[in-house]
Amino acid sequence: QVTLQESGPGLVRPSETLSLTCAVSGALDSTYHWGWVRQSAGKGLEWIGRIHVSGHSALNPSLKSRVAMSIDVSRNQFSLRMNSMTAADSAVYYCARDRSPLGFGAGTGFDIWGQGTTVVVSS
Amino acid sequence: DIQMTQSPSSLSASVGDRVTITCRASQSVDDYLNWYQQKPGMAPKLLIYETSTLHSGVPSRFSGSASGTNYTLTITGLRPEDFATYFCQQTSNVPRTFGRGTKLEI
Repeated sequence: QVTLQESGPGLVRPSETLSLTCAVSGALDSTYHWGWVRQSAGKGLEWIGRIHVSGHSALNPSLKSRVAMSIDVSRNQFSLRMNSMTAADSAVYYCARDRSPLGFGAGTGFDIWGQGTTVVVSS
Repeated sequence: DIQMTQSPSSLSASVGDRVTITCRASQSVDDYLNWYQQKPGMAPKLLIYETSTLHSGVPSRFSGSASGTNYTLTITGLRPEDFATYFCQQTSNVPRTFGRGTKLEI
């Protein structure tokens, strides 16, 4: 059974960069994408983006200019970096397994999620 | 972006009831519509994908259907553990988008 676990700072200063890592128990299966979703009271559930073991990624256009994703198959983990953080970026950040094909095809949902990590942006 | 309009935002029901939650897509999502259940302090759980296919382990009292760009989640015979918040999600286009959720309360 694959499990996901997010790690990273709970507090980020405004204008700084958030770095989160998702550790995957088991191999990073190339059948799937590996993604990030955040949830806040103001915006609800918001898809941030996803990455494949090939390195191919897709990002939400609303965040694309501030987000980078990477994947490390040897360490069974993938990461999110988001710069220029503001209070509006305060949220619970989840990593998830994304059942989407390589490319921009349709998918069948996010079947495994991490427990989530709360990020607060404050000075 | 495809907008997902979910209704109602909250719903009161009793154990044993049948309830329906609706999600309307702003354009065609080719039935790539998923439903999730979320309980407080926990991550969402996938219930149904591609409109009507139950995810592994999901009880048969959950069902999904569609009419055009309107999608419906039905729970028949509510159990105490079903009181939670439900979200729809389209995975037809990028960016993936979610509805704002329906809180099902006792």
